[in-house]
Amino acid sequence: DQQVKQNSPSLSVQEGRISILNCDYTNSMFDYFLWYKKYPAEGPTFLISISSIKDKNEDGRFTVFLNKSAKHLSLHIVPSQPGDSAVYFCAASLRDFGNEKLTFGTGTRLTIIP
Amino acid sequence: EAGVTQFPSHSVIEKGQTVTLRCDPISGHDNLYWYRRVMGKEIKFLLHFVKESKQDESGMPNNRFLAERTGGTYSTLKVQPAELEDSGVYFCASSQDLLAASTDTQYFGPGTRLTVL
Repeated sequence: DQQVKQNSPSLSVQEGRISILNCDYTNSMFDYFLWYKKYPAEGPTFLISISSIKDKNEDGRFTVFLNKSAKHLSLHIVPSQPGDSAVYFCAASLRDFGNEKLTFGTGTRLTIIP
Repeated sequence: EAGVTQFPSHSVIEKGQTVTLRCDPISGHDNLYWYRRVMGKEIKFLLHFVKESKQDESGMPNNRFLAERTGGTYSTLKVQPAELEDSGVYFCASSQDLLAASTDTQYFGPGTRLTVL
């Protein structure tokens, strides 16, 4: 039973445009959400996070939106750059329950077209 | 500051053999996690150490997997005997204690790619 789902295995976006990556979750107890970026042969790198008490968090070109009622979050990258080409993983945890283990989605491969 | 390191980067073994993976967390990080990614699927939690104690090992697949963290520093994950379905990339991550630091972000190592033939 996959509790975090990324239904788009891949996404191609032109350089300079907005990239939108989506993630859905089923466990309403999740209270902390993260996005990780992964290059080939490297480990995931933390990108941005959001607590369930917020609906938006912004860091430079990256913004994460959380819609708790829809159990949906999205990552917006604007403007997209060639270096953004990577696999993006959505993850969730039960932080308020003292359980920080991450539950990941299957990832979305983002390709930025120059 | 050195990041999370893992050794070896790649291991190829035959079914039935034993393999030991090692993880060195970021210095000072009490929390250490093991995760596994199989065949391009999601990254799955295996277990969580707080210092030398196992906090949560609910993700360990079976008793062929044994994790240790003696002295609360580096950790090892032994697979004995290895089976074909154990193939995948094993990631280690570490984080500070949320009560002691402003962030408990998990920092991942590069992973060990295990291939069981």
